[in-house]
Amino acid sequence: AQKVTQAQTEISVVEKEDVTLDCVYETRDTTYYLFWYKQPPSGELVFLIRRNSFDEQNEISGRYSWNFQKSTSSFNFTITASQVVDSAVYFCALSEDLNSGGSNYKLTFGKGTLLTVNP
Amino acid sequence: DVKVTQSSRYLVKRTGEKVFLECVQDMDHENMFWYRQDPGLGLRLIYFSYDVKMKEKGDIPEGYSVSREKKERFSLILESASTNQTSMYLCASSLHTSGKGDTQYFGPGTRLTVL
Repeated sequence: AQKVTQAQTEISVVEKEDVTLDCVYETRDTTYYLFWYKQPPSGELVFLIRRNSFDEQNEISGRYSWNFQKSTSSFNFTITASQVVDSAVYFCALSEDLNSGGSNYKLTFGKGTLLTVNP
Repeated sequence: DVKVTQSSRYLVKRTGEKVFLECVQDMDHENMFWYRQDPGLGLRLIYFSYDVKMKEKGDIPEGYSVSREKKERFSLILESASTNQTSMYLCASSLHTSGKGDTQYFGPGTRLTVL
């Protein structure tokens, strides 16, 4: 079975600090996808990024960047110059085939990291 | 923009009641999912559906059933609510393109309390 580990349960930073959220995964699939979602206090999960296992290029989107390293099975997320609005729970997720035909799949989520950015 | 809506943000029910949670998406997505979210446990998949009238069990289907009579609507049913079903329920949908690469989009969630 697949597994996603977000070892940091809670992180607290002061505004403008950089912060990295760790995600380590386990899978036997050779092809897989990794996702990051943000859950602000309102409750709705907001999709941030999807990465497939063949694309190890790092990605940057504004203040957000993602570092995918297959060798260490990690997909870490960095927020540069954090802001109070970044305060949320962040989830890392891994997709998994549910049958050998590959027609059904599910997401396995980590337990999330609560990020608090203080003014 | 993908829009997934859930019928209630907050719901309070009594033990033994039959409870319906409704989810509607407006993007013609084939796939729909129901999760529950509990502190320290993350998100766990209850049921999912890849087509109308089709359903598959997730990781924790016991005590729940689902209905998908129309493509845009996926209902979660608690046949006889119990206190251990107090939780946040999240609905998601995705367009079927690459299978496990499909991105799931989530609704705002329903916080259910069973007394």
